[in-house]
Amino acid sequence: QKEVEQDPGPLSVPEGAIVSLNCTYSNSAFQYFMWYRQYSRKGPELLMYTYSSGNKEDGRFTAQVDKSSKYISLFIRDSQPSDSATYLCAMNRGSNYKLTFGKGTLLTVNP
Amino acid sequence: EADIYQTPRYLVIGTGKKITLECSQTMGHDKMYWYQQDPGMELHLIHYSYGVNSTEKGDLSSESTVSRIRTEHFPLTLESARPSHTSQYLCASSAPALTGWGSPLHFGNGTRLTVT
Repeated sequence: QKEVEQDPGPLSVPEGAIVSLNCTYSNSAFQYFMWYRQYSRKGPELLMYTYSSGNKEDGRFTAQVDKSSKYISLFIRDSQPSDSATYLCAMNRGSNYKLTFGKGTLLTVNP
Repeated sequence: EADIYQTPRYLVIGTGKKITLECSQTMGHDKMYWYQQDPGMELHLIHYSYGVNSTEKGDLSSESTVSRIRTEHFPLTLESARPSHTSQYLCASSAPALTGWGSPLHFGNGTRLTVT
């Protein structure tokens, strides 16, 4: 069983839609959770991070963690064509541990 | 704008050739990493370095080697390229951890290697 599972999509939505991206994990030792965004032909860039169960909001983006279910989500409100990218979840046990990535979900927002 | 640079962006090379993928960063980060990324697959760590003259193998076995003679430079070398080495190679760096989770990885834009 992979430590991190992420549906690769692809996911196609109309502009303005609410997007939900999800990952599940099996290792209960994971404490810190991140979302990276990767545009086509670019390297990933950190979008959000969180370490506790609950929600963290940053503009149109909300990261949600449910440690009891080992489930994390990224919500995008009022999605824009510029949000079209691959979104990768990542997690680790702490700063001395390497990141484990999901496969990434390819999102296309159509104008 | 990326402060971590990878060259070349694209490389097509024949089997058996020796290649070096270049990675340089201008942020003064001690930690540097090489990841391999294939379509529909997770990013896999193949090498990392926590400072000059420090290199370690990552989670994914790789026939490549790395060196870290200068803080800003972390090249990856394949002595004899094979078609199985065809992949995208991403270099990254990170600053010292200020919080429990660490600090963000700053990625370059990758080198897409094709071995024919």
